[in-house]
Formats: sequence, C-alpha cells, structure tokens
Amino acid sequence: DTAVSQTPKYLVTQMGNDKSIKCEQNLGHDTMYWYKQDSKKFLKIMFSYNNKELIINETVPNRFSPKSPDKAHLNLHINSLELGDSAVYFCASSQDGTGDEKLFFGSGTQLSVL
Amino acid sequence: GQQLNQSPQSMFIQEGEDVSMNCTSSSIFNTWLWYKQEPGEGPVLLIALYKAGELTSNGRLTAQFGITRKDSFLNISASIPSDVGIYFCAGRMDSNYQLIWGAGTKLIIKP
Repeated sequence: DTAVSQTPKYLVTQMGNDKSIKCEQNLGHDTMYWYKQDSKKFLKIMFSYNNKELIINETVPNRFSPKSPDKAHLNLHINSLELGDSAVYFCASSQDGTGDEKLFFGSGTQLSVL
Repeated sequence: GQQLNQSPQSMFIQEGEDVSMNCTSSSIFNTWLWYKQEPGEGPVLLIALYKAGELTSNGRLTAQFGITRKDSFLNISASIPSDVGIYFCAGRMDSNYQLIWGAGTKLIIKP
C-alpha cells in the first residue's frame, strides 16, 4: 500500500474552473501538508494541518483551501483557477507537527491550467 | 520567506565519481534533512540530522550537520546511474518548526 496517495496524478483544466486534489495517508500520522513545486523545482509549503491547527502560508491565495474530513485525509480545493496555478502539488504527512518529524510525500499531482 | 542556499544547482558527473553538495543558512538550525526526488515522484527522505557535528550514513550517502549549525553537507560515494535525481536539503530553526527548503541540486550522470 502506498503510504501517502494523491489523486489525480495529472489534471488539465481551463482557467476559471474549480478543481480538487485528494490526499490520503495510511501512516497514522497526525499532520498533513500541501506543497507546491514550481517549474524551477522549488518546494513551497502551502498548508500544514493537524486536528488542532491549520497553518496557512500567508502568500497562498484564498482561492486555495484545504479540507480535512478526517485525520487520514487532506484534500485541496482550488477555485477560479489561474494560469499561474500550473505546478506540481504534493501532499505530505508527518507524525507530529511540532517536533523532529520527517515528511513523507505523495507522488504529486501535475496541474496544468490552460 | 527564508530560503536555504543549496549548491551546486546541478552536477554532471561520471559514473563512479564521488559527489558533494551543501546547504547554508544565515540562521542557526536544529534539524537538517536531506531528500531525493526522482522524476514523477515526491521527495523521499534520505538522512535526518539533529545535532551539531553529527555524521550519518545511509549506504553510499553520508551527511553532516555543520558545527556552526548553519550548514549541512551531503556526499555520495562511487555514484551509480540510479543516483540521478534532485537532492533537496531542508532545515528547521529553533524559532519556527516549519521546514525551510533549499532549491535542490540536480544530479546528472554522464553515460
């Protein structure tokens, strides 16, 4: 079983559409994350979330919103997609959001906005 | 936001050569992590470091937590084709538990 799985792997859509990316982890971790990787491969954290706290990177537009139905899932909703949203989005999880945790990443969702 | 300075940006090496890369920061870190990303996949943790001066190996990979706590190094000995990928450093400061990432070192092995 894949530890952190995200779907879809590829997402091609038109500007202005609303889309979601799903993420599930079966590691029993307490904290989940969304990262954005741009064309230069730089990793930028968007959100971290556990059952106590949602931390939002202040540079993330409010068109992006995480939704967590339970501890094992953190989905990413994106409204009114823009060309600049094209990137690879990674979900990740860790045991504890405040200590020496190690991140486990999904295989990524490549989003292309046309 | 704060970034780590990771170098080199890319490396073209021959199979069998040793590889060295490093990350530096202007701030003191309490944790250094090294990840590898292969095409179409997410980063995978290679080595985690928690103490200044710590030297940790994972097979042919060795990483060190710099004594000043402002840098870390990753060495790969006797490189093989499957070592290709992007290597990322990430660190955490005492004052902020969020990870800060380097821009990555792309390793390419010449045929």
